[in-house]
This record gives sequence, structure tokens and C-alpha cells, in this order.
Amino acid sequence: GAVVSQHPSWVICKSGTSVKIECRSLDFQATTMFWYRQFPKQSLMLMATSNEGSKATYEQGVEKDKFLINHASLTLSTLTVTSAHPEDSSFYICSASPIGYTFGSGTRLTVV
Amino acid sequence: DAKTTQPTSMDCAEGRAANLPCNHSTISGNEYVYWYRQIHSQGPQYIIHGLKNNETNEMASLIITEDRKSSTLILPHATLRDTAVYYCIALSNFGNEKLTFGTGTRLTIIP
Repeated sequence: GAVVSQHPSWVICKSGTSVKIECRSLDFQATTMFWYRQFPKQSLMLMATSNEGSKATYEQGVEKDKFLINHASLTLSTLTVTSAHPEDSSFYICSASPIGYTFGSGTRLTVV
Repeated sequence: DAKTTQPTSMDCAEGRAANLPCNHSTISGNEYVYWYRQIHSQGPQYIIHGLKNNETNEMASLIITEDRKSSTLILPHATLRDTAVYYCIALSNFGNEKLTFGTGTRLTIIP
């Protein structure tokens, strides 16, 4: 079946630094990838939709200059959290289509 | 996409059938009902989907009422590994639309 690989699975970074999260579709071409954020005991919240070769579309309230999304190939999308702060600590999850919505295993970001 | 309503939480004894309800009274004719689950600290996992007929796969069964205003996900023999948050989502264009998650049902399987 379709597999989406997300790395790293967890990361701890210092406040003010940037962190990059990778999302790869291993056995299919993902024309569209979605990025979600999930705070403890809350549901997944869609942050942005990225289409290969074009700029990402961000949901209302998500800062596009803080959460940089690059979808340069049909198998790779990256999310960079720039100038991370403790309030950015969360569980970040990617999802890829067009083979349905296959989700990565998530990245737990802790900013200290 | 139609709004869905689910109970916040449910318990089920291990080995018994877990029946998770979902209300989607405003669902339109071209919207499918999809079920996903999220085990703690993992990405969501697809379970099953249907339009109007009942569906069954190796994971679960989906029963959709004739008027399509509600559905029930059935896990026939729940195990401890089925403890998760279950999401019911109405969607018309799978793969191209944004998948929006509600609050889901937190299912706890009791030993």
C-alpha cells in the first residue's frame, strides 16, 4: 500500500532556531500534500496545502513566513518552522494524495 | 462538506463489538462517509468508507442508514490495540479536497 515517510519522528530545538520536517511519498507520486498540526488532546488542524511546483495555500491564521513549505518534487514536501518558539511545540503530521490521504507518522517538535 | 457529530468518548470491553455512531444529517448525495482513527502519537489511519451501501473490510464494518443521515462503524472484536480516537468525515472528492477533522470519538478498550 501507499506509504508516506516523515522525518524526523521527534526533534528538540532551542528557541529562535529553525527546524525542517520532511515528508516523502515512497511508492507513489504525491501531487498534493497537506500539513497538519496537533496540540495535546486536540484534533488535527490543517495548516496548509502544497501542490508540487507551486506555492502552498495556507489556512487562515497560519503564518506563511513562519511555516515555510516547499514541494519541489512529486515525492518530497518539507515544512520548515522558522524562529521556533515554545508555543510552536506540537505534533506535526503530513498527508499525501492522490492515493487517498495517506498520513505520515508525525513529528513531535519540542522547542526549549 | 457536511458537518459530522460524534460522541466525545466511549468504552468497550475487550473482545466485544465496538459500535461508534456518527451523525451527518446534512450530508449531500455525492458525499461519502470516511472513517479514520488515530492511535496516540501516530498519524491517522484509514479504516473504511462508504456512500450508501454497507461496507466491510478486514478492519471494520460500516453501516449507513437508508436516509444517509447517520452511520455506525463496527469493530467486531475489539482489542486493546483498537484504543484510539476515531474520526468520521463526510467528503465528496477524496484525494483532492482538504480533509478536515472534527473532535472524533475517543474509544477506550477495557481489558
